[in-house]
Amino acid sequence: DAKTTQPTSMDCAEGRAANLPCNHSTISGNEYVYWYRQIHSQGPQYIIHGLKNNETNEMASLIITEDRKSSTLILPHATLRDTAVYYCIVRVAGSNTGKLIFGQGTTLQVKP
Amino acid sequence: GAVVSQHPSWVICKSGTSVKIECRSLDFQATTMFWYRQFPKQSLMLMATSNEGSKATYEQGVEKDKFLINHASLTLSTLTVTSAHPEDSSFYICSARAGPNEKLFFGSGTQLSVL
Repeated sequence: DAKTTQPTSMDCAEGRAANLPCNHSTISGNEYVYWYRQIHSQGPQYIIHGLKNNETNEMASLIITEDRKSSTLILPHATLRDTAVYYCIVRVAGSNTGKLIFGQGTTLQVKP
Repeated sequence: GAVVSQHPSWVICKSGTSVKIECRSLDFQATTMFWYRQFPKQSLMLMATSNEGSKATYEQGVEKDKFLINHASLTLSTLTVTSAHPEDSSFYICSARAGPNEKLFFGSGTQLSVL
């Protein structure tokens, strides 16, 4: 699975949009981009995933560049409860293992 | 989303004893479960992949005789930390998926403290 690069930490004002970037320049054609987050002392929570089209759900939007070498997770109206570590992961969907390998992630601090 | 239940949430044990952690998929059948461990301020590290009815596949550097994994049914996998020592103190997290194209769902984790 391709490796991802994320900033170590980011701050965001409450109520504003949080834009979390992820670089995956070695991604291959059959690899999806997944985003999970982990709130302190809890298990990771699935947010969203996509292949090449932009995706939106009730939690967030995922913008993938045309060359698929990077993506951005957007939390449209960040709240204090969105403070967490956000992980961007690429993996091949449908693979027999399907395991997720976590990088260091981005610690997002939402401030009042 | 699907629910993965992990038990216990925390456990304290004496050095040399064994501890069993359970991971259950409550509303789906999990053909594959994964076990991770996480040290403070670090990311999750995959320990092993557990497939129902077969032996677990361990990641490099993980001792299979120390971390026993059993996946006897489609809804239950267990991780047993045998002869636990203080360096085994960590946050252990399981995850499960219904099939190869399905998302992974995670348990709430187990904090193990070995005295």
